[in-house]
Amino acid sequence: DGGITQSPKYLFRKEGQNVTLSCEQNLNHDAMYWYRQDPGQGLRLIYYSQIVNDFQKGDIAEGYSVSREKKESFPLTVTSAQKNPTAFYLCASSIPDSTPNQPQHFGDGTRLSIL
Amino acid sequence: AQKITQTQPGMFVQEKEAVTLDCTYDTSDPSYGLFWYKQPSSGEMIFLIYQGSYDQQNATEGRYSLNFQKARKSANLVISASQLGDSAMYFCAMREGSFGNEKLTFGTGTRLTIIP
Repeated sequence: DGGITQSPKYLFRKEGQNVTLSCEQNLNHDAMYWYRQDPGQGLRLIYYSQIVNDFQKGDIAEGYSVSREKKESFPLTVTSAQKNPTAFYLCASSIPDSTPNQPQHFGDGTRLSIL
Repeated sequence: AQKITQTQPGMFVQEKEAVTLDCTYDTSDPSYGLFWYKQPSSGEMIFLIYQGSYDQQNATEGRYSLNFQKARKSANLVISASQLGDSAMYFCAMREGSFGNEKLTFGTGTRLTIIP
């Protein structure tokens, strides 16, 4: 079945440590996104990529980095510069420039906590 | 200003009753799309329904329908004959502009609890 796989499901970070969240999709979608969700809040866009080897900052990119070397993969690194990384992280993908009613498809998320 | 406003943090509804979840939006772009997603306690986001700014009819998908009032900038989700499995967070989201802009802006969500 086609879908988006995020791993790990739970992740713990020590102070000063970088951690990388994995996102893989087999939907053949060109566009991929990373969102952060805090309790009681909606999703906020961290980074997005509409094509391989290209990505743009979203609304809250500080303290995060991404790469897009393959169409299927869009890993997110939470760096030590992100002082409040505890949150639920969701990865999504979509077909850009498609018919406007095409939704973004989401993975099951990674919950990141500080040790 | 908030682009997407969901004013109901939580709602409790009796099973089998209909429920309306409110969503208002703010945009100056004539071309936009509105999406509703369901997020169960497991965390995944499930797409429910879409309404385009130029659509003449209100969108429907099974038990879900969208009460789209363009002049009032509201896009309320209506769930008919609610079921226990409908208990979840519900998010309204907007995509502004036409092709090429796929970014979504989300509201803060409404937590719906269905009471047996």
